[in-house]
Amino acid sequence: AQSVTQLGSHVSVSEGALVLLRCNYSSSVPPYLFWYVQYPNQGLQLLLKYTSAATLVKGINGFEAEFKKSETSFHLTKPSAHMSDAAEYFCAVSDGSSASKIIFGSGTRLSIRP
Amino acid sequence: DAGITQSPRHKVTETGTPVTLRCHQTENHRYMYWYRQDPGHGLRLIHYSYGVKDTDKGEVSDGYSVSRSKTEDFLLTLESATSSQTSVYFCAISESTGGPSEQYFGPGTRLTVT
Repeated sequence: AQSVTQLGSHVSVSEGALVLLRCNYSSSVPPYLFWYVQYPNQGLQLLLKYTSAATLVKGINGFEAEFKKSETSFHLTKPSAHMSDAAEYFCAVSDGSSASKIIFGSGTRLSIRP
Repeated sequence: DAGITQSPRHKVTETGTPVTLRCHQTENHRYMYWYRQDPGHGLRLIHYSYGVKDTDKGEVSDGYSVSRSKTEDFLLTLESATSSQTSVYFCAISESTGGPSEQYFGPGTRLTVT
């Protein structure tokens, strides 16, 4: 069965500092992995996705994630945090079915200190 | 942005009353999903649909039913609302093109059961 674990329910960084949000996955099939962002009172928006092509995936708003099979990880990074990055971030894995069902992690809330 | 609307956006109802939430899409996507979002749990799949009149259960389907009579509409019904169903409900759509695809989310419906 597929699952994801997000390490840290809340991460706080200073503006301009590196952002690192951790995600580990478990999958019985080659995984498709996603990062979504949710701003307050809004729906989820796709940041980036890994679909077995390049292991380093670039997304919107300067975010990127690296797929590491040996570590079963898909951590999200951004070199320099901006105040507008404050949001909740969800890592997710496809369950491998044809119905494109996705299993979400419990989320990490990112706060940015001025 | 994907053309997904949800109605109502907010609803307060009493325990034991029936409630129907509507999701409408203009993208003609095949797959539609209903999730609930609760603190500490991320998003959990309630039901999903893989075509008109074709639906299946998700992880937390007890107490919920769904219907899809047209490609564009997916209804979620709480036959007899309970306080444990107080949550934020999200609809999502996806169009699989031979492999797992990302999902696009609506703005959500905040439901309070008193």
